[in-house]
Amino acid sequence: EAQLVESGGGLVQPGGSLRLSCAASGFTFSSWGWHWVRQAPGKGLVWVSYIHPDGSTRYTDSVTGRLTISRDNARSTLYLQMNSLRVEDTAVYYCVRDFFSSIDYWGQGTLVTVSS
Amino acid sequence: DVVMTQSPLSLPVTLGQPASISCRSSQSLLYSDGNTYLSWFHQRPGQSPRRLIYQVSNWDSGVPDRFSGSGSATYFTLEISRVEAEDVGVYYCMQGARWPYTFGQGTKLEIK
Repeated sequence: EAQLVESGGGLVQPGGSLRLSCAASGFTFSSWGWHWVRQAPGKGLVWVSYIHPDGSTRYTDSVTGRLTISRDNARSTLYLQMNSLRVEDTAVYYCVRDFFSSIDYWGQGTLVTVSS
Repeated sequence: DVVMTQSPLSLPVTLGQPASISCRSSQSLLYSDGNTYLSWFHQRPGQSPRRLIYQVSNWDSGVPDRFSGSGSATYFTLEISRVEAEDVGVYYCMQGARWPYTFGQGTKLEIK
């Protein structure tokens, strides 16, 4: 059964850093593109970042230069390095698979809270 | 960025009655490969979203056939033929035709 399990969320002060991980199983991880999508408390879904199977990346404007997506195909794991965190980055972060310009599988999410 | 606008934002429905949600995009979602990349998701309270429909009208595995998607270019609709209690939650449309992917604001379906 295909599964995505995020980890690494928590409480961090503004300006701090976190690294999120997403362990994938049941997929040929290296063959697919992967996204991070976030959802602030009580709000809607927002696309954050994408990594292609070839390693190329894309980011939404508000996180460019602060968040870095990466992948380890040998470990079937997706990462999101989050630096210079802001209060507005507070959200549940979901790891999701890109499936032909759509998103199919979602993880359970990991909560990042940025607060002093 | 492509702006996705859903309506209504709140949808009270009686059990067994139909429901309809519309989604408009600020640009055409018809891609150069001939496909239209519009998906619908359902998020129950406290759960991760689940995709229902992709490429406008294709069901995901396990999605009841009371759900249907239609539309083209910039106007799309998700219809539920007979609402059941498990259908409560928030519905989102999402476009993947142009970067960045963007979502609608969400439509909250509740039972009257």
